[in-house]
Amino acid sequence: DQQVKQNSPSLSVQEGRISILNCDYTNSMFDYFLWYKKYPAEGPTFLISISSIKDKNEDGRFTVFLNKSAKHLSLHIVPSQPGDSAVYFCAASPYNQGGKLIFGQGTELSVKP
Amino acid sequence: DTEVTQTPKHLVMGMTNKKSLKCEQHMGHRAMYWYKQKAKKPPELMFVYSYEKLSINESVPSRFSPECPNSSLLNLHLHALQPEDSALYLCASSQGTGFYEQYFGPGTRLTVT
Repeated sequence: DQQVKQNSPSLSVQEGRISILNCDYTNSMFDYFLWYKKYPAEGPTFLISISSIKDKNEDGRFTVFLNKSAKHLSLHIVPSQPGDSAVYFCAASPYNQGGKLIFGQGTELSVKP
Repeated sequence: DTEVTQTPKHLVMGMTNKKSLKCEQHMGHRAMYWYKQKAKKPPELMFVYSYEKLSINESVPSRFSPECPNSSLLNLHLHALQPEDSALYLCASSQGTGFYEQYFGPGTRLTVT
């Protein structure tokens, strides 16, 4: 039972263009959502988060959008840079479950020069 | 400083061995976590400690035994593991268990022979 789904295993984007990574969830009890980036042989690195009372959060080149009615969130990276090439995980935290994070399967982003 | 350190980086152990994984953070975080990540899969939560007390155990087999000696340290004691327990073991910490991002260490790559 996959509660957090990233349906695109991979995405390839040209340098300077926008990267859009998508994530769907099924559990309406999720109230906090996060995006992490992971390089091989390293732990996940926190990028940006959003609580369920918001629909958008921005931090530099990264913007996360949350559509609660569609149970969908997306991460926009503008402009994309070759150093952004990594696996991106979305994660969701259920209400009142003590910091538990449930991760999606990940999307491998490749930004080509 | 958002650093979580983990030792050792790599560990090879036999099925009858006893070993421990160590995790340390000096960010004053009061929540610490153990995750397990198999190849090409997302991290899966194993344990959560909040204020040095075990608050979540995700039905992990007893051959994995967590310990939180103080607010900066988290150990994972391993005994009688199986080859299928081979994975990357990630430690994370956060300010608390509410709307707080988790910061991950680089992980320990464990191989059980």
